[in-house]
Amino acid sequence: GAVVSQHPSRVICKSGTSVKIECRSLDFQATTMFWYRQFPKQSLMLMATSNEGSKATYEQGVEKDKFLINHASLTLSTLTVTSAHPEDSSFYICSARDFQLTEAFFGQGTRLTVV
Amino acid sequence: GQQLNQSPQSMFIQEGEDVSMNCTSSSIFNTWLWYKQDPGEGPVLLIALYKAGELTSNGRLTAQFGITRKDSFLNISASIPSDVGIYFCAGQLSNTGKLIFGQGTTLQVKP
Repeated sequence: GAVVSQHPSRVICKSGTSVKIECRSLDFQATTMFWYRQFPKQSLMLMATSNEGSKATYEQGVEKDKFLINHASLTLSTLTVTSAHPEDSSFYICSARDFQLTEAFFGQGTRLTVV
Repeated sequence: GQQLNQSPQSMFIQEGEDVSMNCTSSSIFNTWLWYKQDPGEGPVLLIALYKAGELTSNGRLTAQFGITRKDSFLNISASIPSDVGIYFCAGQLSNTGKLIFGQGTTLQVKP
């Protein structure tokens, strides 16, 4: 299957700082990328959908000014958690697909801990 | 909103036993997917189902897409310790590619 690489795998940051998470498609062009958040022992919840070159579409209840998504190229999308707080601590996962792929493939996830 | 109900929530079985889990939805999906997630990792696709009634196998895994397109099951035969993990079903919205996930089934296998 297609390979999606997410970086970093773990990050610890201080409350009030911003953190950037990268999601890269390594062997295909990702026209669409998705960002999910997963709390312990819970399912994945979609945060936003981003299409290359356009603004991301956020799910209801997700603050677009807090979770900045950039999808400037066909192989890279970034999620920036701005002014992070302890309640933002979670597992963030991206997935990517292009129009030729029926399904999306997931990155390895990023464990964010805000202290 | 659309929801997927996945059951059972957890299973603890003996190595060698068969496992079955299922998902139901109040909405129709055009694609059903089954994923496995290991601790601290992203989900890995196991089986994708595209047609109502489709029965697909991947090694010891078998999954079926219900005729009504509102349900799916996943069977694992002759379980082994490395089958341990969380299994998620997901329905895909064809127009956007977005996935709606079930709550997950945690599988533990006793050697």
